[in-house]
Amino acid sequence: DTEVTQTPKHLVMGMTNKKSLKCEQHMGHRAMYWYKQKAKKPPELMFVYSYEKLSINESVPSRFSPECPNSSLLNLHLHALQPEDSALYLCASSPSRRTGGRELFFGEGSRLTVL
Amino acid sequence: SQQGEEDPQALSIQEGENATMNCSYKTSINNLQWYRQNSGRGLVHLILIRSNEREKHSGRLRVTLDTSKKSSSLLITASRAADTASYFCATEGGSNFGNEKLTFGTGTRLTIIP
Repeated sequence: DTEVTQTPKHLVMGMTNKKSLKCEQHMGHRAMYWYKQKAKKPPELMFVYSYEKLSINESVPSRFSPECPNSSLLNLHLHALQPEDSALYLCASSPSRRTGGRELFFGEGSRLTVL
Repeated sequence: SQQGEEDPQALSIQEGENATMNCSYKTSINNLQWYRQNSGRGLVHLILIRSNEREKHSGRLRVTLDTSKKSSSLLITASRAADTASYFCATEGGSNFGNEKLTFGTGTRLTIIP
């Protein structure tokens, strides 16, 4: 199984809603990532979890709250978002750190629209 | 901030021709990777080249890396309509970087005309 599964594929929410994005992988990867991508722009790193611990937070506003319940799951909790937060949210995973670098396996993304 | 700048931003070629896109970066790296993204979809890893390597091949792909110029190129030979996508370089930093941080370049949108 070489898939990263993201749900939901599409999400529309109001600025007062609370919602969550979910990501799952069963490749035994111990690093998981959230990226945000606006149209025609590159993905921008938000968070990295390594061995279920938050290792990188790229100064993301607190209205985005990541959670890693176990080594296979990664959530992104959303609350009081702004319309400018509308974007494609990509989850990725990678093998444990090894010499020579690692490749990321991406999910298909969750398209978020904030009204 | 952007680590990688890609050139050109957009490229259209006839099917069967070769496509070359370039990536320049600013700081020292451990490795450089190339990814493909079909419109609105997730990214797919294509190839990884380490900082001590100069050239690498994978099928119709050829990647070069010049660390003295802080640049890399991706060549796709004998292009096909299915190669239409955006291509991103991504760098994993040197010893002073958080080694889990992969930073993407601005991307090249490649269109293959049948």
